[in-house]
Amino acid sequence: QGQLVQSGDEVKKPGASVKLSCQASGYSFTHYGITWVRQAPGQGLEWMGWISTYNGQTDYSRRLQDRVTMTTDTSTRTAYMELRSLRADDTAIFYCARYRSTDYDALDVWGQGTMVTVSS
Amino acid sequence: DIQMTQSPSSLSASVGDRVTITCRANQYISTYLSWFQQKPGKAPNLLIYATSTLHSGVPSRFSGSKSGTDFTLTISSLQPEDSATYYCQQSYRTPRTFGQGTKVEIK
Repeated sequence: QGQLVQSGDEVKKPGASVKLSCQASGYSFTHYGITWVRQAPGQGLEWMGWISTYNGQTDYSRRLQDRVTMTTDTSTRTAYMELRSLRADDTAIFYCARYRSTDYDALDVWGQGTMVTVSS
Repeated sequence: DIQMTQSPSSLSASVGDRVTITCRANQYISTYLSWFQQKPGKAPNLLIYATSTLHSGVPSRFSGSKSGTDFTLTISSLQPEDSATYYCQQSYRTPRTFGQGTKVEIK
């Protein structure tokens, strides 16, 4: 069925960077891509971008593309998302989720979320 | 970017009621539309993808349909455990935009 387990909560100062991890288990890692979604407190869901675990191809939200980098390590079945130059309005829960193109890219398995707080 | 306009933003209904949530795309998205349920403090859960395909394990009281660029999530008989926020998302083009969400409360 599959499971995604994300790294622990983070507190960062403005201007810093954060790198979150998302480890997959229970399915063939390279058969599904990974999408990152964030949710500011009390707000809706924002698509940040995705990465193909097969070839490393990425596609980022234009809003974030200058500050975000998504990578994967197939040897450890782990996806990473780094966000740089953090601002207070980056405070959010960050989720990873898997998708497969043969299933309309539906996000069928989600990680538990990582809270990132940006505060001086 | 494709805009997804979801309505209503919130609703209150009684157990057993039929509930409908609508999502309108401002461009053609074929049938590339998913619905998610999110409960407080939890990650979203996939309910429906490809407009009307029920995800594994999702109760059959949930259904999805399409008319043009209007997409509908229907809960045929609302249950107490359906209290949550529901989001639509298009997966036709990037960025994969979400609707603003509909909060469903039980009267």
